[in-house]
Amino acid sequence: GAVVSQHPSWVICKSGTSVKIECRSLDFQATTMFWYRQFPKQSLMLMATSNEGSKATYEQGVEKDKFLINHASLTLSTLTVTSAHPEDSSFYICSAPVGPSQYFGPGTRLLVL
Amino acid sequence: QKEVEQNSGPLSVPEGAIASLNCTYSDRVSQSFFWYRQYSGKSPELIMSIYSNGDKEDGRFTAQLNKASQYVSLLIRDSQPSDSATYLCAVNTYSGGYQKVTFGTGTKLQVIP
Repeated sequence: GAVVSQHPSWVICKSGTSVKIECRSLDFQATTMFWYRQFPKQSLMLMATSNEGSKATYEQGVEKDKFLINHASLTLSTLTVTSAHPEDSSFYICSAPVGPSQYFGPGTRLLVL
Repeated sequence: QKEVEQNSGPLSVPEGAIASLNCTYSDRVSQSFFWYRQYSGKSPELIMSIYSNGDKEDGRFTAQLNKASQYVSLLIRDSQPSDSATYLCAVNTYSGGYQKVTFGTGTKLQVIP
């Protein structure tokens, strides 16, 4: 149990385009999901907390207008990177809690050319 | 002071030896503690959780928690090359009805054949 999926696993796009990443809890419901970003050889950085039916909570320094989060159902949260630029290239990972534990999706690697 | 601190390593141990990974945390009201393993290019995978003082064993892994010292550790017995990864310590705190998970920066473990 406690499987989290992400789609797509890889995205390559041109600078200026928008990219949507989906995070799904497959066998449980998640009122909250978390979005992380990880640059090469660096630690996980929490970007935002996605809340079902309400606005996401963004960490300090994360632009909410650039990283749009929608948590429309109890099993799906989406992260849209708007007007992506090369500096947005990173590994984006979502997670969902089951009790006190976090279960991570497999991640989405974004490359902006 | 960082909320969750880990030595970044790399920690190198020979195959078959015991690997000892350490983590300290600053928030005394933290209730849940986790160890995640992250292989290069992959998302974190939960390997151990511990909630009360003492030791918790699961196969070759033993988690140790000392709340008075705000210290949690992970021992890996009979280390294998496949254990080579970055190990993330995570601390979960409930406050005001909200769950906050804080990750350490991770310790890179290298098991030498």
